[in-house]
Amino acid sequence: GENVEQHPSTLSVQEGDSAVIKCTYSDSASNYFPWYKQELGKRPQLIIDIRSNVGEKKDQRIAVTLNKTAKHFSLHITETQPEDSAVYFCAAGGGGADGLTFGKGTHLIIQP
Amino acid sequence: KAGVTQTPRYLIKTRGQQVTLSCSPISGHRSVSWYQQTPGQGLQFLFEYFSETQRNKGNFPGRFSGRQFSNSRSEMNVSTLELGDSALYLCASSLSSAPGGDTQYFGPGTRLTVL
Repeated sequence: GENVEQHPSTLSVQEGDSAVIKCTYSDSASNYFPWYKQELGKRPQLIIDIRSNVGEKKDQRIAVTLNKTAKHFSLHITETQPEDSAVYFCAAGGGGADGLTFGKGTHLIIQP
Repeated sequence: KAGVTQTPRYLIKTRGQQVTLSCSPISGHRSVSWYQQTPGQGLQFLFEYFSETQRNKGNFPGRFSGRQFSNSRSEMNVSTLELGDSALYLCASSLSSAPGGDTQYFGPGTRLTVL
């Protein structure tokens, strides 16, 4: 089945700086890669997703890049703000066998 | 549209008991997936239902089971509860007929505590 590794587990950045979270996946059949943000005590919310026929996607301060050959994808957040503090999860799916497989999460801390 | 809803939101049970959790998907969504979330293991896939059929199953013991009704509402059942079953149980609904291949919208979760 699919295996998703996510790094780092904790990331602390100064407000206004950029944050990058990286994930690798194992199943070359996976074709859908969403990112979720989960604030304390709340449900995971989709913030951006990308499909395997696209290399990069951007939505305001958030961007995701995908390298199918290397089987890795990354989340980039620019001009970080205090409200960006949360746990971020990457996931891979669409290969048919296992549904969505999630990484273990990155706790992003924005320092004022 | 109303979002995904889950009931109950909180549950306290003792070891050996069984529990049933309920999930109502977004109207029109036919796929419902269940996940177990714990601090140590993150989000782990339990199973997915599509049109009343279990389409995928994660690596959990047979004590964990589920079903889906014709209106797409889903239930999951855990029998013979163990302390390690304490977790947040999340369900997510999706339009897609492709397993794991489309946006999943999460419910608020059911917090299960096993004493």
